[in-house]
Amino acid sequence: GNSVTQMEGPVTLSEEAFLTINCTYTATGYPSLFWYVQYPGEGLQLLLKATKADDKGSNKGFEATYRKETTSFHLEKGSVQVSDSAVYFCALSDSLNTGGFKTIFGAGTRLFVKA
Amino acid sequence: GAVVSQHPSRVICKSGTSVKIECRSLDFQATTMFWYRQFPKKSLMLMATSNEGSKATYEQGVEKDKFLINHASLTLSTLTVTSAHPEDSSFYICSASVPATDTQYFGPGTRLTVL
Repeated sequence: GNSVTQMEGPVTLSEEAFLTINCTYTATGYPSLFWYVQYPGEGLQLLLKATKADDKGSNKGFEATYRKETTSFHLEKGSVQVSDSAVYFCALSDSLNTGGFKTIFGAGTRLFVKA
Repeated sequence: GAVVSQHPSRVICKSGTSVKIECRSLDFQATTMFWYRQFPKKSLMLMATSNEGSKATYEQGVEKDKFLINHASLTLSTLTVTSAHPEDSSFYICSASVPATDTQYFGPGTRLTVL
């Protein structure tokens, strides 16, 4: 079945450092790919998405490119801030028999950014 | 983006009682909603897919008599934890799909503590 694998955390960086969180997927067909962010004590927020190969999703300085050849969707940010400390989930869409979609999540990567 | 609300945000109950959690899509109609459970520092575990006007589809290992799901309208799904026990304590998150898309929007979550 479809699955998502992302790098284990926690990842600890200093402010203004470069961030990469690796994510690879296994899927039949061509799912949409997502990054969600969860701040402490809160639910999930959609950070960015890409719907087809070579698409780049971007938001709030974060970027990820849908790479079909390497089945990857790595998250990057050039300069992290303390406020970026959160848990980041890579995910993909999986079709349902009813015609809709459900989301399959990776395990999550916790990011700590130090001032 | 689309807004999904959950109520209550926190609930503490005694062992043996039942607790109902509501999930509402505020600015769109959702034919499909999803219920997740998240353990501390873990990823989201999909419990069930809730379809408006029909029975929910439960994931393997989730007791449908324990976790009752009702999706009575296009904007409301409820999860009832029946005869709650301390091991049911967790963070429960719902999400809703915008029809004809593969993007889910998440509620802020409900923290359940069973004493």
